[in-house]
Amino acid sequence: GAVVSQHPSRVICKSGTSVKIECRSLDFQATTMFWYRQFPKQSLMLMATSNEGSKATYEQGVEKDKFLINHASLTLSTLTVTSAHPEDSSFYICSARDERVSSYNSPLHFGNGTRLTVT
Amino acid sequence: GENVEQHPSTLSVQEGDSAVIKCTYSDSASNYFPWYKQELGKRPQLIIDIRSNVGEKKDQRIAVTLNKTAKHFSLHITETQPEDSAVYFCAATSYNFNKFYFGSGTKLNVKP
Repeated sequence: GAVVSQHPSRVICKSGTSVKIECRSLDFQATTMFWYRQFPKQSLMLMATSNEGSKATYEQGVEKDKFLINHASLTLSTLTVTSAHPEDSSFYICSARDERVSSYNSPLHFGNGTRLTVT
Repeated sequence: GENVEQHPSTLSVQEGDSAVIKCTYSDSASNYFPWYKQELGKRPQLIIDIRSNVGEKKDQRIAVTLNKTAKHFSLHITETQPEDSAVYFCAATSYNFNKFYFGSGTKLNVKP
């Protein structure tokens, strides 16, 4: 089955520092990856769509300079939270479709998520 | 874009009873509807999905129904067990969107 690996699973950082989160598709290539943010007891909110070899597409209200996304290869996307503040504390989850199955009519496979705490 | 609404937000059932979670969507172009189960602090896991060319799909104790005309789809869990307790999310997508729209989630509590 399709496996998406995300690291780190948990990070605590001080306010003002930057944090990088990695998302890898382990056994398939993903030209597109999706980054979600989830607050406690809430739904998955799409932040941005990461496109291999081109700029990410951000959802309305998401600051692209705050959340930097890089999709440098077909198996790796990174999300960098720059100058983190306590309000950035959240659960960040990446996901990807297994494009071997279908480019659109197949499920998302999620990484384990990263619990970010900014002190 | 698409708008997915999910009800109820919380659901408590007795072990062995059935549970039903309902979702509606707004865009008739949506043609793929997965359901995810998320346990506390863990990743969402796909439990069942349905494509718009079928009206019902079943996998053991779990079934999903789709009514394209009314634009709603439902998750049915029979003979519920305590390990079914989790948050369940519905979602909708289509080729036009290239993104998934998620419902707000249902917290299911199965009481032993």
